[in-house]
Amino acid sequence: KNEVEQSPQNLTAQEGEFITINCSYSVGISALHWLQQHPGGGIVSLFMLSSGKKKHGRLIATINIQEKHSSLHITASHPRDSAVYICAVTRGGADGLTFGKGTHLIIQP
Amino acid sequence: DTGVSQNPRHKITKRGQNVTFRCDPISEHNRLYWYRQTLGQGPEFLTYFQNEAQLEKSRLLSDRFSAERPKGSFSTLEIQRTEQGDSAMYLCASSSFAGTKAFFGQGTRLTVV
Repeated sequence: KNEVEQSPQNLTAQEGEFITINCSYSVGISALHWLQQHPGGGIVSLFMLSSGKKKHGRLIATINIQEKHSSLHITASHPRDSAVYICAVTRGGADGLTFGKGTHLIIQP
Repeated sequence: DTGVSQNPRHKITKRGQNVTFRCDPISEHNRLYWYRQTLGQGPEFLTYFQNEAQLEKSRLLSDRFSAERPKGSFSTLEIQRTEQGDSAMYLCASSSFAGTKAFFGQGTRLTVV
């Protein structure tokens, strides 16, 4: 079992829909990251959080440390949101990131 | 552009050849990471540097792989005697210190034929 699990693996939605991507992890962490990867490989860091909730524009990330679970929400989704969204954790006592496999999101106009 | 820069963006090489990739991190960042990503998978940690010191290496980093960061600025990742299984995207990231947000380069896509 992977240390970081994401669901769903693939998600297709219509423009304007509210999107939720989930991430569960099984190790102790010091931080959780949500990343966005576009075709061609470039990765952009969206959020780094260790508790509670963060919001940036139409993106919201939450984390529940007790349940070892995080969600990434996209409100009023748009075709330009189409990308792979990756959850990653910084493990307590270690460095580098441990990644989930990613969620491939397609927003159709 | 002051982001993380990787060169080349794409590399096609014949099996058995050596290849070297370069990563230029954000200038004030002292931590530099290398990751490998195969198709359909999330990235996997390979190694990281704090300044010029290589502090951690994944068991994924076989003897054919070597990474350096000689002056604590840019880093190189060399793969000797490439194999088809080495085909992947090689990603570099940097951060100012442990536990802070990491900034990623565009990656180097390696194809071994």
